[in-house]
Amino acid sequence: EVQVVESGGGLVQPGGSLRLSCAASGFPFSSYEMNWVRQAPGKGLEWLSYISSSGSIIHYADSVKGRFTISRDNAKNSLYLQMNSLRAEDTAVYYCAKVGFGYSFDHWGQGTLVTVSS
Amino acid sequence: EIVMTQSPATLSVSPGERATLSCRASQSVNSNLAWYQQKPGQAPRLLIHGASTRATGIPVRFSGSGSGTEFTLTISSLQSEDFAVYYCQQYHNWPQTFGQGTKVEIK
Repeated sequence: EVQVVESGGGLVQPGGSLRLSCAASGFPFSSYEMNWVRQAPGKGLEWLSYISSSGSIIHYADSVKGRFTISRDNAKNSLYLQMNSLRAEDTAVYYCAKVGFGYSFDHWGQGTLVTVSS
Repeated sequence: EIVMTQSPATLSVSPGERATLSCRASQSVNSNLAWYQQKPGQAPRLLIHGASTRATGIPVRFSGSGSGTEFTLTISSLQSEDFAVYYCQQYHNWPQTFGQGTKVEIK
């Protein structure tokens, strides 16, 4: 069974940093592209970042470019999101999502909540 | 950036009735469009990819159509478990973008 499980969320002060992790299982992780998507409380979905299967191609949304860094460790079946210079507007549930057909997202984790507040 | 606009924002439908949700792209995305369902407290679930192909395990009452800039998700006969928020997503260009969602509620 395909599973992706996020961790690392929590409460952080504005300007602080946090590193999210996503543990993948049930599929050959090193063969699949991955993404991070977030959802602010009561709001819609916002795509944040994409990484190719090898990690050689990366894309970011403008809202996080220069502050967030996506990476992966295929030996550990893990995806990461390093978040720096956090702002109140970064408060959201953060999901990792596996790419399926096209660039659609066929499997999502349960999400991890990041709260940026003093 | 391609802007995805969904309508209506809220759709009130009785169980057993048909629901039609719309998604419009600000420029052509060909057939590079997906639909997701999200229930409260849950992660989104992929329903449709390639504008019209049902994802694995998705019931046949869900169907997608359209190409270019106009897309439709149709739920032929609403079941109780279908009341949720639905999002469209384009993956034609970077950044990928989602619509703002359509809430399907019980009438």
